[in-house]
Amino acid sequence: DVKVTQSSRYLVKRTGEKVFLECVQDMDHENMFWYRQDPGLGLRLIYFSYDVKMKEKGDIPEGYSVSREKKERFSLILESASTNQTSMYLCASSLWTAGGNTIYFGEGSWLTVV
Amino acid sequence: AQTVTQSQPEMSVQEAETVTLSCTYDTSESDYYLFWYKQPPSRQMILVIRQEAYKQQNATENRFSVNFQKAAKSFSLKISDSQLGDAAMYFCAYRSAVWENNNDMRFGAGTRLTVKP
Repeated sequence: DVKVTQSSRYLVKRTGEKVFLECVQDMDHENMFWYRQDPGLGLRLIYFSYDVKMKEKGDIPEGYSVSREKKERFSLILESASTNQTSMYLCASSLWTAGGNTIYFGEGSWLTVV
Repeated sequence: AQTVTQSQPEMSVQEAETVTLSCTYDTSESDYYLFWYKQPPSRQMILVIRQEAYKQQNATENRFSVNFQKAAKSFSLKISDSQLGDAAMYFCAYRSAVWENNNDMRFGAGTRLTVKP
């Protein structure tokens, strides 16, 4: 089975702190994604990566950056956390080939910024 | 850009009965994929069922089936013989088959399903 692991399930950070959310997948998937999940809004794409060191902005990239130094690892970085970034963050991965490939999700990281 | 709409924020069903969750989408593409994902209270999102737009036959996975109406851009999920373990948030999702667009998946806002014993 595909496993997508997010290193932190629950985090509490202070406003202005730099926050790292780490994600690792074990199925050699080319594509990796970071989504933000908020009630009533569903999942919104922050960034995705289709290869090592490659990244593309999603719908809501402001205030976030990402890093993909190795194929299996995709990190989301909040350079200066703000209270409006309090949310659930979901990492996901999928194969590169044709769009019908399933996206597999991690368990999510609950981030609270105080 | 493609959009996905789930008009039912919450639904409830009696155990052993059938429930249908609605989903509509907007796209100008002719080839794409549609998904239903389930997110139980433990929060890990898992795939329930997948439909390829070029296939007319509705997908079925055990107690889960879809009603795919391409012209109406509708993709509803039917859960038969509902079980307590079906209680979750359900998300409808769209993914393009166009190579340049297929790295993104669009999600609806979700429907929270409650199953009553």
